[in-house]
Amino acid sequence: EVLLVESGGGSVQSGGSLRISCAASGFTFSRYSMNWVRQAPGKGLEWISYVSSPSAMTFYADSVKGRFTASRDDAKNSLYLEMNSLRDEDTAVYYCARDVAVLRFFDHWGQGTLVSVSS
Amino acid sequence: QSLLTQPPSVSGAPGQRVAISCTGTSSNLGADYDVHWYRQVPGKAPTLLISANNNRPSGVPDRISGSKSGTSASLAITGLQAEDEADYFCQSYDRSLSGVVFGGGTKLTVL
Repeated sequence: EVLLVESGGGSVQSGGSLRISCAASGFTFSRYSMNWVRQAPGKGLEWISYVSSPSAMTFYADSVKGRFTASRDDAKNSLYLEMNSLRDEDTAVYYCARDVAVLRFFDHWGQGTLVSVSS
Repeated sequence: QSLLTQPPSVSGAPGQRVAISCTGTSSNLGADYDVHWYRQVPGKAPTLLISANNNRPSGVPDRISGSKSGTSASLAITGLQAEDEADYFCQSYDRSLSGVVFGGGTKLTVL
């Protein structure tokens, strides 16, 4: 069974930093590209980053470019999102999602981790 | 404002058919990129419902279907059931953004 489990969310002050993780199991992690998608409270879904496999090439939405860095460790079956210069509008549930191809569609999602940014 | 436009809400009685539209632009659906659909029950993660316009993953009943034509797409649910009450999101790729885009979401209420 494919399982994606996010962790590391929490409360942080505006301007601060946070690193969230996504632990994968039930599939060969190194063969799949991965994404981060977030959802602000009561709002819709927003794609924010992509990490390819195996080259770990990354793409970002303009809203986080230059502030967030996505990475992966295939030896640990893990995906990461380093978030810097956090703003109030970054408050959201952050989901990791497995990509079927390059920015195609997402066939499995984690349960999400909540990041709250307050000024 | 999303590049994929969905109605905020739709509703239907049990047993009826409902359709949720997703209108794109020449940089996403109109550029021949596929549309995909997700269902999200409040408080839970999204799940894939339809991929590549009209393909149902294993476990999705055949009373749920998708279609796409030009810059428009539609998700249809027939034989509405109480369990269908959820939020539905369409998704595609946008070449002007060089990234994934989601519709704003549609809340389906079963009356």
